[in-house]
Amino acid sequence: QKEVEQDPGPLSVPEGAIVSLNCTYSNSAFQYFMWYRQYSRKGPELLMYTYSSGNKEDGRFTAQVDKSSKYISLFIRDSQPSDSATYLCAMRKNYGQNFVFGPGTRLSVLP
Amino acid sequence: SQTIHQWPATLVQPVGSPLSLECTVEGTSNPNLYWYRQAAGRGLQLLFYSVGIGQISSEVPQNLSASRPQDRQFILSSKKLLLSDSGFYLCAWSVPPNTGELFFGEGSRLTVL
Repeated sequence: QKEVEQDPGPLSVPEGAIVSLNCTYSNSAFQYFMWYRQYSRKGPELLMYTYSSGNKEDGRFTAQVDKSSKYISLFIRDSQPSDSATYLCAMRKNYGQNFVFGPGTRLSVLP
Repeated sequence: SQTIHQWPATLVQPVGSPLSLECTVEGTSNPNLYWYRQAAGRGLQLLFYSVGIGQISSEVPQNLSASRPQDRQFILSSKKLLLSDSGFYLCAWSVPPNTGELFFGEGSRLTVL
């Protein structure tokens, strides 16, 4: 079993839709949870960062962490064509230097 | 504000040739520095990280090496490239004591022929 699993997609939605992206993980030691957006042939850009369980909102983006289920989500409201990208989840423990990444979900928002 | 520069952006190299990818960070001191490799359809794989000048930790035994000659400079090298070294290489930095935020450069796409 991989440490972090993520549906690779592709996921296609119409403009204005609410998008739900998810990751599951197996290691209960993970404490920090991140979501990155990566455009084609570019480096990943940090979107959201949360510590431990709970919700965090930033504009159209909401990140949720459910540590009891080992499940994290990213919601995008009022999705735009410019949101079309690959979304990577990442997580790390309280110790060590290794950030563990999911393989990414490719999202297309159609105008 | 902090910025990270990574070059070259693209390179095509023959098998057996050497490699040098360079990364510099501006606007911060004593960052933690990382080299990741991204293969298609797979998550980012940590190759090396550094918590200070001359301090390099390797996560994956391979054909590559890393060096940190200055506080904000991180170099990825190889003496002889293999076909399997092809990929997208990403430099990243974080601020100690590493609250969890990791920031990436624009990446270097390496094709080994």
